[in-house]
Amino acid sequence: QSVLTQPPSVSGAPGQRVTISCTGSSSNIGAGYDVHWYQKLPATAPKLLIYGDNNRPSGVPDRFSGSKSGTTASLAISGLQAEDEADYYCQSYDNTLGGWGVFGGGTKLTVL
Amino acid sequence: EVQLVQSGAEVKEPGESLKISCRGSGYSFGHYWIGWVRQMPGKGLEWMGIIYPVDSHTIYSPSFQGQVTISADKSINTAFLQWNSLKASDTAIYFCARFRTPYGSGYDAFQIWGRGTMVTVAS
Repeated sequence: QSVLTQPPSVSGAPGQRVTISCTGSSSNIGAGYDVHWYQKLPATAPKLLIYGDNNRPSGVPDRFSGSKSGTTASLAISGLQAEDEADYYCQSYDNTLGGWGVFGGGTKLTVL
Repeated sequence: EVQLVQSGAEVKEPGESLKISCRGSGYSFGHYWIGWVRQMPGKGLEWMGIIYPVDSHTIYSPSFQGQVTISADKSINTAFLQWNSLKASDTAIYFCARFRTPYGSGYDAFQIWGRGTMVTVAS
């Protein structure tokens, strides 16, 4: 059971917009720690999509965007494409027991 | 080119020890936090811990504290993940990953990733 809660799956048709939520608590997201998002394709290393809540690394399309409010962060993907089908993970930090990193449980995005 | 090169796949028996490695190149190795992430078969990513190679300051997830040892040798630009006594439940892919920015307080994102090391523990 992850400290950060994500929906197990989301789906959308090509061209549509989907959002993936990441719900934490007052000891992690709610404490103001940055939230980062990763895309994970099978048999490949994770790829950083969003860092610091809402910043895109160079090379990541602007179809991907992040936001945060209170204890919940969200990843939005607009103009859905077939190659977006992947697992998505949020990541932040938790200040219990001295402070450590945490991932969400992951969300499987299916492009219909 | 900035990259992390991980050691190859391992097959071990329960109770054996193991040390896998992650060598960084193309950047100032000592000044970027490096972390380890586990992915068990069919499961999600788990944050294990991070190390700052310059002074070997290490932060572990409570789930992994005492179960593994993270170390680094900045003279050879390499980080390590070590087990003293493997269990079948240690079977997983282990990724090393580097923080996006140097220095920092330990709360950054992982931007550079190794390809992963598959560890299989079976009798």
